[in-house]
Amino acid sequence: KAGVTQTPRYLIKTRGQQVTLSCSPISGHRSVSWYQQTPGQGLQFLFEYFSETQRNKGNFPGRFSGRQFSNSRSEMNVSTLELGDSALYLCASSSAGGTANVLTFGAGSRLTVL
Amino acid sequence: DAKTTQPPSMDCAEGRAANLPCNHSTISGNEYVYWYRQIHSQGPQYIIHGLKNNETNEMASLIITEDRKSSTLILPHATLRDTAVYYCIVRVWYSGGGADGLTFGKGTHLIIQP
Repeated sequence: KAGVTQTPRYLIKTRGQQVTLSCSPISGHRSVSWYQQTPGQGLQFLFEYFSETQRNKGNFPGRFSGRQFSNSRSEMNVSTLELGDSALYLCASSSAGGTANVLTFGAGSRLTVL
Repeated sequence: DAKTTQPPSMDCAEGRAANLPCNHSTISGNEYVYWYRQIHSQGPQYIIHGLKNNETNEMASLIITEDRKSSTLILPHATLRDTAVYYCIVRVWYSGGGADGLTFGKGTHLIIQP
């Protein structure tokens, strides 16, 4: 079956702009979580959605937001971009129940803020 | 979630077994050990997990000490494609999902030498 699909794979923005990233989970997976990866901070948890509801949120400012649609697809948005937001943004999906802790990651969206 | 300690880097010859250690001396009774790996510029990939018994799948084996304070991931016949950063994570099993995100440390950079 198809894996986790993230779009776009690469994008360049300037400071102050906003960006929306998209994630399509594995079919049947209802949980979608987002991570930010930077060389300095490593992989950090942003938030997790399940059945269109945000269940958990990491320690990121309110400029980072997300949502999940009824088909489980998810988007994350970063407003008022800062240079430090340059990172690889990873989406992961999982099924509920027994494999809830086993995440399948997408290839990521690499954001460069100039 | 309990903290883990891994060596920053390791080398292994191609075709040999790669043994990656992980210390988790503060692990609690309901915490599992998970291993993920990340090949350069890709999303992390789930490898294996276990509670207290040794586990094996098509990718690797996981050996957990009797006191559960450390574990070893074994790649039985390492290939060049196994060069990656390997993350050891311990966390409680959330049967319905909805837990905080995974906490990725710095991991071990495993380099397979030809």
